[in-house]
Amino acid sequence: DIQMTQSPSSLSASVGDRVTITCRASQSVSTYFNWYQHKPGKAPNLLIYAATTLQTGVPSRFSGSGSGTDFTLTISSLQPEDFATYYCQQTYSTPYTFGQGTKLEIK
Amino acid sequence: QVQLVQSGAEVKKPGASVKVSCKASGYRFSSHSITWVRQAPGQGLEWMGWISGYNGDTIYAPKFQGRVTMTTDTSTNTAYMELRSLRSDDTAMYYCAREGGVYVRFDPWGQGTLVTVSS
Repeated sequence: DIQMTQSPSSLSASVGDRVTITCRASQSVSTYFNWYQHKPGKAPNLLIYAATTLQTGVPSRFSGSGSGTDFTLTISSLQPEDFATYYCQQTYSTPYTFGQGTKLEIK
Repeated sequence: QVQLVQSGAEVKKPGASVKVSCKASGYRFSSHSITWVRQAPGQGLEWMGWISGYNGDTIYAPKFQGRVTMTTDTSTNTAYMELRSLRSDDTAMYYCAREGGVYVRFDPWGQGTLVTVSS
C-alpha cells in the first residue's frame, strides 16, 4: 500500500494568515492526488484534484502543487470557514489511501 | 444537482451484519462508480472499496476483503455496502461518494451513516 504522510498534524493560525500543508507519498503517485476539507458533522468536500486543479465552486484562495511524491496545499488568506481538518489522498493505485489529516485551528 | 443520500444510523451487536444504502440522483448512475469510506471516532478517513455503476465490478481494500460486499440496484440508482462479522472497532461513520474522472476523485459525498457496534 502507498503510505501518505501529512505535516503538520495540527496547526494554529489566524484569520488572514497564509497556510501551507504538505503531504508525502511513500512512492510516486504522479498527479493522481487530491485534497479534501472535512468539518465536524459534515461530509468531506473535494478541494483540489489531479494535484493542482481547483474543484468547481472552491474559492481561489486554495491552491495545490506538486507531483510524484511531494505535494502542498496552500490557503492564501485564511477565512473563518476554513478551520477544519484537511486530508490528502492518492488514487494512483488501490487501495486508495489518505493522509492522517491536518487539523487547522484558530489561534 | 448531483446528490447521494444514505440510510439512517444503525446499532448492531458484535458478530452481526449491517447494510448501508446510498441513493444517487442528478447524474447517469451507470457512468460512475460509487466508493465507500469510513471514519472511526477520532480517526482519519479509510477507503473500503468501490463498485462500478456500469457493470457491478468491485474492488475491495485488502483489509475488508471477505467481510464486505458492495452491490448496486440500477433500477433505483442505489448502491449498498454490507459489512459482516461486526466488531466494536467497526464503529464508525460510513460515507459513500461518487468516484470519477481520469484523475480519480470522490465528489460529492453522501451525508454519512453512523454504525455503532455495541453489546
